[in-house]
Amino acid sequence: KNQVEQSPQSLIILEGKNCTLQCNYTVSPFSNLRWYKQDTGRGPVSLTIMTFSENTKSNGRYTATLDADTKQSSLHITASQLSDSASYICVVSAGGGYNKLIFGAGTRLAVHP
Amino acid sequence: NAGVTQTPKFQVLKTGQSMTLQCAQDMNHNSMYWYRQDPGMGLRLIYYSASEGTTDKGEVPNGYNVSRLNKREFSLRLESAAPSQTSVYFCASSDFLQGARTEAFFGQGTRLTVV
Repeated sequence: KNQVEQSPQSLIILEGKNCTLQCNYTVSPFSNLRWYKQDTGRGPVSLTIMTFSENTKSNGRYTATLDADTKQSSLHITASQLSDSASYICVVSAGGGYNKLIFGAGTRLAVHP
Repeated sequence: NAGVTQTPKFQVLKTGQSMTLQCAQDMNHNSMYWYRQDPGMGLRLIYYSASEGTTDKGEVPNGYNVSRLNKREFSLRLESAAPSQTSVYFCASSDFLQGARTEAFFGQGTRLTVV
């Protein structure tokens, strides 16, 4: 069964600190992996997209890594800001089409001053 | 540029009532989707429309129907609402169904409670 598991479920950090969120997946066939940010009461917004051949992708203070051999991805947030408080969702495409996306349950991040 | 617009934002229904969730996108996208998001779970695909004139079932289609009214609009109908349909519903759109670099854009969601 295709699955995407994220850890931790929730995380609290102080403003200015770094953090890393984890994503493990068992999805076949693998096409690409995406990270989304979802603010409370809003829809998800794309942060990064990585295909099989890419092992790192950055978007400002967000850096995603992908290890296709171990089927793991991480999202590293540098110098966190209060506006980073949100849920971060790992999404794996099982075959490329948007009708084949497998969503993780998300990690809820709270950044405190 | 509004992107993907959903109406209503909030709705409370009684069991057995019907309603239609509306979604419109102004990005000239070909493909549109309806998802539901439940606490502790990832988004799940209800129905999708790869292009105007086509619709297909996703992972959890039971109890729902959809209509791709035109290229811009994709509606989701609950014919007889049940408490199990209490959820947050998201509409999304993308240029095409396929493509590793194809990006999807989501609406702000509709929070539906069935009592």
